[in-house]
Amino acid sequence: GAVVSQHPSRVICKSGTSVKIECRSLDFQATTMFWYRQFPKKSLMLMATSNEGSKATYEQGVEKDKFLINHASLTLSTLTVTSAHPEDSSFYICSASPVLTDTQYFGPGTRLTVL
Amino acid sequence: ELKVEQNPLFLSMQEGKNYTIYCNYSTTSDRLYWYRQDPGKSLESLFVLLSNGAVKQEGRLMASLDTKARLSTLHITAAVHDLSATYFCAVDIEDSNYQLIWGAGTKLIIKP
Repeated sequence: GAVVSQHPSRVICKSGTSVKIECRSLDFQATTMFWYRQFPKKSLMLMATSNEGSKATYEQGVEKDKFLINHASLTLSTLTVTSAHPEDSSFYICSASPVLTDTQYFGPGTRLTVL
Repeated sequence: ELKVEQNPLFLSMQEGKNYTIYCNYSTTSDRLYWYRQDPGKSLESLFVLLSNGAVKQEGRLMASLDTKARLSTLHITAAVHDLSATYFCAVDIEDSNYQLIWGAGTKLIIKP
């Protein structure tokens, strides 16, 4: 149980285009989902916290107009990287917390390459 | 099924004690990661273990990898309160397009 999927697993796009990444909790409902970005030395920076039915809370320094987060249902959150640039190339990971818990279950990640 | 299992999932211990967190995984892997997360914060990379028998140490934390047993351990020596956090292991699956499979995390509380 407690499986989180991400789609796509890998995406290559041209500079200036937008890319949508989906995060799904497959066998549980998640009121809260988190989006992370991997940086050198493999640390995962928390980008934003997404609560179902409300606006995401972005961490300081993360552009909310560039990284659009939608958490439309208890099993799906999406991250859209708008007008992508090569510096947005990274590994993006989501996690989801079941209702009434603070346990996080992580997705396998999406590797974004912007040419 | 690809699985990474951590245990225990919750650990409360006294300062000064030693303890070990275990991470079992079900498939062959190129590398294994250990992360630390404080509540509501980013995940800090602690260790990356690349080969069988790898052992890395940083302060009171030591991580090891046995690829034959598909087991990694994170050992805490003489725990201090500042080590209270949630610790995750993650496995990089061979030929997987760089995807990670995660353990559920071990919430560690160290009482002064």
